[in-house]
Amino acid sequence: EIVLTQSPGTLSLSPGERATLSCRASQSVSSSFLAWYQQKPGQAPRLLISGISNRATGISDRFTGSGSETDFTLTINRVEPDDFAVYYCQQYGTSVYTFGQGTKLEI
Amino acid sequence: EVQLVDSGGGLVQPGGSLRLSCAVSGLTVSTKYMNWVRQAPGQGLEWVAVIYGGGGTYYTDSVKGRFIISRDISKNTVYLQMNSLRPEDTAVYYCATSDQSYRGYFAYWGQGTLVTVSS
Repeated sequence: EIVLTQSPGTLSLSPGERATLSCRASQSVSSSFLAWYQQKPGQAPRLLISGISNRATGISDRFTGSGSETDFTLTINRVEPDDFAVYYCQQYGTSVYTFGQGTKLEI
Repeated sequence: EVQLVDSGGGLVQPGGSLRLSCAVSGLTVSTKYMNWVRQAPGQGLEWVAVIYGGGGTYYTDSVKGRFIISRDISKNTVYLQMNSLRPEDTAVYYCATSDQSYRGYFAYWGQGTLVTVSS
């Protein structure tokens, strides 16, 4: 099983700043099968990025995914009030999928 | 428009059983990887199980031998049969799937159904 470790656990920023969220895998993620999700309280998660860097339909270009092998990053430029939420990475390159433990982006 | 509607949650005693359902519209369950993902209260996301278009299934270690994912193609519905339930299985359970075939990321999610395992 691939273990995903996200850092930091909590990121405190002000609107307009840049957020950099990290996701590190215990082994190489096959075929670039790495996704990012945003979740707000009481809601189902929302897909932001698949395939390391492909934005989902309707996702702002302020969200950028990058990385390879075992190190991945989600960058949020010019953070807006609506962006404050919990973010998860997920690998789907093996038959057993796994999520990171999440990064909370707070004001 | 794609819709996934989760149902079947509730309160069950330890050792009991429950069957969750995910009714799907807007896509065909036999052409996608259909998954269950859970979230314990105040905790992160945990992938639980997948059923492939061809019918193959995989599970996270903690539910192997206790949970069974299945589907009814005629009803376009996916199920999660949960047996020998434990308090640590308490969570909101989401059905989720991709917008592409043969992909394990989750573009579509149900609204979730709460399972509480307690005496």
